[in-house]
Amino acid sequence: DAGITQSPRHKVTETGTPVTLRCHQTENHRYMYWYRQDPGHGLRLIHYSYGVKDTDKGEVSDGYSVSRSKTEDFLLTLESATSSQTSVYFCAISGRTGGTNEQFFGPGTRLTVL
Amino acid sequence: QKEVEQNSGPLSVPEGAIASLNCTYSDRGSQSFFWYRQYSGKSPELIMFIYSNGDKEDGRFTAQLNKASQYVSLLIRDSQPSDSATYLCAVRGGGADGLTFGKGTHLIIQP
Repeated sequence: DAGITQSPRHKVTETGTPVTLRCHQTENHRYMYWYRQDPGHGLRLIHYSYGVKDTDKGEVSDGYSVSRSKTEDFLLTLESATSSQTSVYFCAISGRTGGTNEQFFGPGTRLTVL
Repeated sequence: QKEVEQNSGPLSVPEGAIASLNCTYSDRGSQSFFWYRQYSGKSPELIMFIYSNGDKEDGRFTAQLNKASQYVSLLIRDSQPSDSATYLCAVRGGGADGLTFGKGTHLIIQP
């Protein structure tokens, strides 16, 4: 998985609770991304980061926030989880110095909101 | 809105034959094109990328790009049962943009 870990790998939570998912990379890639994958929709971009403290919204950003205080960590927060946020969440990285712009995915986090 | 279209399948191919997977995209500004393989319950795995018109070969895989027709394809030669998976087509614009994915084609290689 190209030196990418995600935690937790599985989580069950209740509607209205805050949830934070963590993506950690050891590859020193500049760019980091959060996607969600749902049946019938495929993978969709939530937020991405192009450097420490530099983030931007993706296609489905409502209800999510992100933070990146270090190159290696990118956090995704659901401030108040809803059942519609039940999904599999993938982190991806790209932009190794001297490399090209392919994206590599972490193992994913399966989130269930009851 | 950027769109990537793939036939969802399933596409059934005999072992040893050529599997042909196709993808069209709507954004003419797209610059990079990727094929990922995803096994059930696993994360997407990058298998091919292509940036220029024409063919790119890597082992049993060939990616083909036609920007004028906004068409990307993936050929898998000598298909093996282990190639059975969902294949995701993805495109990217410039800069740090994330990928826009198709919904994937489910490929089944029949022994």
